[in-house]
Amino acid sequence: GIQVEQSPPDLILQEGANSTLRCNFSDSVNNLQWFHQNPWGQLINLFYIPSGTKQNGRLSATTVATERYSLLYISSSQTTDSGVYFCAGRSSGTYKYIFGTGTRLKVLA
Amino acid sequence: DADVTQTPRNRITKTGKRIMLECSQTKGHDRMYWYRQDPGLGLRLIYYSFDVKDINKGEISDGYSVSRQAQAKFSLSLESAIPNQTALYFCATSDYDEKLFFGSGTQLSVL
Repeated sequence: GIQVEQSPPDLILQEGANSTLRCNFSDSVNNLQWFHQNPWGQLINLFYIPSGTKQNGRLSATTVATERYSLLYISSSQTTDSGVYFCAGRSSGTYKYIFGTGTRLKVLA
Repeated sequence: DADVTQTPRNRITKTGKRIMLECSQTKGHDRMYWYRQDPGLGLRLIYYSFDVKDINKGEISDGYSVSRQAQAKFSLSLESAIPNQTALYFCATSDYDEKLFFGSGTQLSVL
């Protein structure tokens, strides 16, 4: 089956720093999405980004479907950005979303 | 009010007990899903439903069953709970574009 690799697995930042999180897929996926799981366990959909680039405030995401990767950019990080970031994509021909194991981010004040 | 509501938020039960987790949504989506999250891992799909008469197994459906009582309600049952079913369970919904929206999760502990 499709493998999803997220990097880095852990990241510690000082407040105000920028970061880039990466998601690689072993095969083509559809409908790639990025999620943030906050320290209380809630999962928030950040981006639905099958291809191209989208921006939402301090966050932006880019998916290059032909090269099977996606990037999540966090600028001017804040302590509220802490948590785990997951990417997920759907295997072609199925309705199953494959999730990565996440990048655990901690932003220090 | 939350668009996707899961009950209970936390549950502790004993091995062999039957337990039901409930999910309701006000987003008007036809598609609903149950996922399981284990510590340090991503989410894995248990079951999904594209409408009231459509139920499909996911990648880890053994030991679980579901019921789609209405467009807005999708429940997950553990007929005879076992300790390795201890996990955080999420319900999710999506429209046809498949953008996923999650509930707040149910932390289940099976002793």
